[in-house]
Amino acid sequence: SQELEQSPQSLIVQEGKNLTINCTSSKTLYGLYWYKQKYGEGLIFLMMLQKGGEEKSHEKITAKLDEKKQQSSLHITASQPSHAGIYLCGADMFNDMRFGAGTRLTVKP
Amino acid sequence: GAVVSQHPSRVICKSGTSVKIECRSLDFQATTMFWYRQFPKQSLMLMATSNEGSKATYEQGVEKDKFLINHASLTLSTLTVTSAHPEDSSFYICSARNLGGRSYNEQFFGPGTRLTVL
Repeated sequence: SQELEQSPQSLIVQEGKNLTINCTSSKTLYGLYWYKQKYGEGLIFLMMLQKGGEEKSHEKITAKLDEKKQQSSLHITASQPSHAGIYLCGADMFNDMRFGAGTRLTVKP
Repeated sequence: GAVVSQHPSRVICKSGTSVKIECRSLDFQATTMFWYRQFPKQSLMLMATSNEGSKATYEQGVEKDKFLINHASLTLSTLTVTSAHPEDSSFYICSARNLGGRSYNEQFFGPGTRLTVL
């Protein structure tokens, strides 16, 4: 069973639009990771957040971790077809990592 | 960043045979390696945690006699799927924890192995 709630499950946006993906845990997280995956391929590391209130950006992708360290959001600005894929959040549970169910992003040109 | 390799990247086998998948940390030592399985349209599910020199810890519902894990060195862990059946067909990904990483729990993922059992 998934210990992280990730939403939405799938997302279809028009190129150029902004979008947000959410990841929620019932427990306080030691760390929150965001990955991108093309189905059947390995994970591409995007960002890691550890501190409450932390926010990181890379190119057009911004990730935030709330103060309680239980919720994170991934925001993509002006989406492009290259952003399409599956986005997974991973929670550092100290001894191992658990993943959300994933969000399948489709960007229509 | 640290690199983790997996071999093979794809394998097709007949039902009843055994398949071994290797996971190597190429430029760092990994005291702990994790094995995940991913079915189509689903997320990664942790199968087992492998610590160098000790027995692996399996998640509930994962048969330890079917999925044999060996972590013989700080850079190599192997997963052997014994007597594979079509329902074992899946995408298997390993990750390695970097002992000397900035974050104690920093993990690096391999590219995955696609197993198809006919």
